[in-house]
Amino acid sequence: RKEVEQDPGPFNVPEGATVAFNCTYSNSASQSFFWYRQDCRKEPKLLMSVYSSGNEDGRFTAQLNRASQYISLLIRDSKLSDSATYLCVVNTLTGGGNKLTFGTGTQLKVEL
Amino acid sequence: DAMVIQNPRYQVTQFGKPVTLSCSQTLNHNVMYWYQQKSSQAPKLLFHYYDKDFNNEADTPDNFQSRRPNTSFCFLDIRSPGLGDAAMYLCATSRRRHTNSYEQYFGPGTRLTVT
Repeated sequence: RKEVEQDPGPFNVPEGATVAFNCTYSNSASQSFFWYRQDCRKEPKLLMSVYSSGNEDGRFTAQLNRASQYISLLIRDSKLSDSATYLCVVNTLTGGGNKLTFGTGTQLKVEL
Repeated sequence: DAMVIQNPRYQVTQFGKPVTLSCSQTLNHNVMYWYQQKSSQAPKLLFHYYDKDFNNEADTPDNFQSRRPNTSFCFLDIRSPGLGDAAMYLCATSRRRHTNSYEQYFGPGTRLTVT
């Protein structure tokens, strides 16, 4: 089983739609979680951090369910500019320090 | 404002010819990371520095080395690039290592082509 699993998509949605992505992780000792956005051939950029049960920032809501070991990202009123790959990232404290493990990403395409 | 800078943005090298990628940061972060990302794959951590303390991932090939001469700069050396090393190489920084509140900031990446 992969440490971090995401549905690769692509998710093709019309502009204005609400879309949700799920991510599951295998290490129950993981402490914190992030969603990064990555545009084609660009670097990942931090979208949201999730430390407790959830976080909301404008049209974006992230939720964490530790018991079931999954994180979700909800995008409301999606825009064309939201088209990107969304990476689920899990932070686990190890003896050598923090270790970030990335999922392979979920691709979102928002269409007119 | 540039925070994590990588040079060059695109690098072409020949099979077996050593290449060095550079990363600099203006954030004064303690930790610097190098990731390799191949097409449609997740970024894969190669190694990281906590100040001058070097930490290698167990599965990072010996072909990959790194140097951090000071807080601001970190280099990735690929001693003998193979065709399988063609990828995007991402540098990232973070303020601390042992903490729950922990975010990494990425540079724009260097896309390496091996011919």
